[in-house]
Amino acid sequence: GNSVTQMEGPVTLSEEAFLTINCTYTATGYPSLFWYVQYPGEGLQLLLKATKADDKGSNKGFEATYRKETTSFHLEKGSVQVSDSAVYFCALSRYGNTLVFGAGTILRVKS
Amino acid sequence: GAGVSQSPRYKVAKRGQDVALRCDPISGHVSLFWYQQALGQGPEFLTYFQNEAQLDKSGLPSDRFFAERPEGSVSTLKIQRTQQEDSAVYLCASSPPVRGSFREGRETQYFGPGTRLLVL
Repeated sequence: GNSVTQMEGPVTLSEEAFLTINCTYTATGYPSLFWYVQYPGEGLQLLLKATKADDKGSNKGFEATYRKETTSFHLEKGSVQVSDSAVYFCALSRYGNTLVFGAGTILRVKS
Repeated sequence: GAGVSQSPRYKVAKRGQDVALRCDPISGHVSLFWYQQALGQGPEFLTYFQNEAQLDKSGLPSDRFFAERPEGSVSTLKIQRTQQEDSAVYLCASSPPVRGSFREGRETQYFGPGTRLLVL
């Protein structure tokens, strides 16, 4: 079946540090891949997505590359800010758009 | 424009009580999804509508859960005889018409703020 595994948190970084949150997936065929973010007290928001192998999604300084050979979609940002503190969810989508989510990774950025 | 809205935002129910959760999708979005998010977990799929047709209800955890979207717009998730394990945040999402292959799942889902249900 389809599943998503992402690194456990919380991840605690200092401001301006480099961020990587690992995400790997298991799926039949070629899913679309997403990163969603949940800021404190807010709903889920799409951060970025990639719909085919080797695509790079990017938004707000975050980026992730769809790697079919390693079934991965790791999230990176070169310099995090306190305002990036949130929960990050990796997800895949197949067959009519149903999303399968990872468990989420809490990111805490200290000033 | 307006996003996905859900009501109520918070609901406290006594065990055994029936509850109804409402979702208003983005206008023009034909697909509507319900997810359940337990504390500290990622959302899990419950059911999916395309217009008024419920195409997939494989994620509904028991026959106490029922969803409907009679006119292809507003949807209601009903939980009968609530149990403590039903306590969670219930998320609704909508997405625009599918382009390309139905199987590709490329369309972005837009989520509402959720309804936090606490069953005592």
